[in-house]
Amino acid sequence: EDQVTQSPEALRLQEGESSSLNCSYTVSGLRGLFWYRQDPGKGPEFLFTLYSAGEEKEKERLKATLTKKESFLHITAPKPEDSATYLCAVHDSNTGNQFYFGTGTSLTVIP
Amino acid sequence: ETGVTQTPRHLVMGMTNKKSLKCEQHLGHNAMYWYKQSAKKPLELMFVYNFKEQTENNSVPSRFSPECPNSSHLFLHLHTLQPEDSALYLCASSQVPGAGGYTFGSGTRLTVV
Repeated sequence: EDQVTQSPEALRLQEGESSSLNCSYTVSGLRGLFWYRQDPGKGPEFLFTLYSAGEEKEKERLKATLTKKESFLHITAPKPEDSATYLCAVHDSNTGNQFYFGTGTSLTVIP
Repeated sequence: ETGVTQTPRHLVMGMTNKKSLKCEQHLGHNAMYWYKQSAKKPLELMFVYNFKEQTENNSVPSRFSPECPNSSHLFLHLHTLQPEDSALYLCASSQVPGAGGYTFGSGTRLTVV
């Protein structure tokens, strides 16, 4: 069973069209949930860490939220430079230092 | 240079070759990791080093051999690889294992022919 599931797999938005990416998880001992951005040909770049349900973090046009079963990455009025793959990962305290990554959402913002 | 640096960026090797991937970090982090990234799959953790000591080996085949001479450098030695080993190999570091957001390098794109 996958511990982390991201949806949608791919998303195309017009510039300025706000939307949300989803990351659902099944681990029982969540120690932290992490969002990364990955550009083609590069490694993932850390964006946010969320630790408890109800927590929110913001950075420019991005806002990450967390519930007991999922996290959302809200993108407000996106620009073409926001195009990238967004990865979610969870740290499960029940499996030591294991981090489980999702397969990512590929976001394309069209001018 | 700051951050995590990986070399080479691209590597093509035959199944009988021996090559090494190099990773270097100048962040003062104590934990370093090797991950494998294949298309449509989640990142797969391969090895974890904490203060130069290997703390995890995620059932990785012996044709992959890690080496961590100090807390700033990490190598992945490759020999007799298979075509299915073709992938993006990412190095990452963090202050301590499980500390949270990793700093990743840009990766080595490996093609086995």
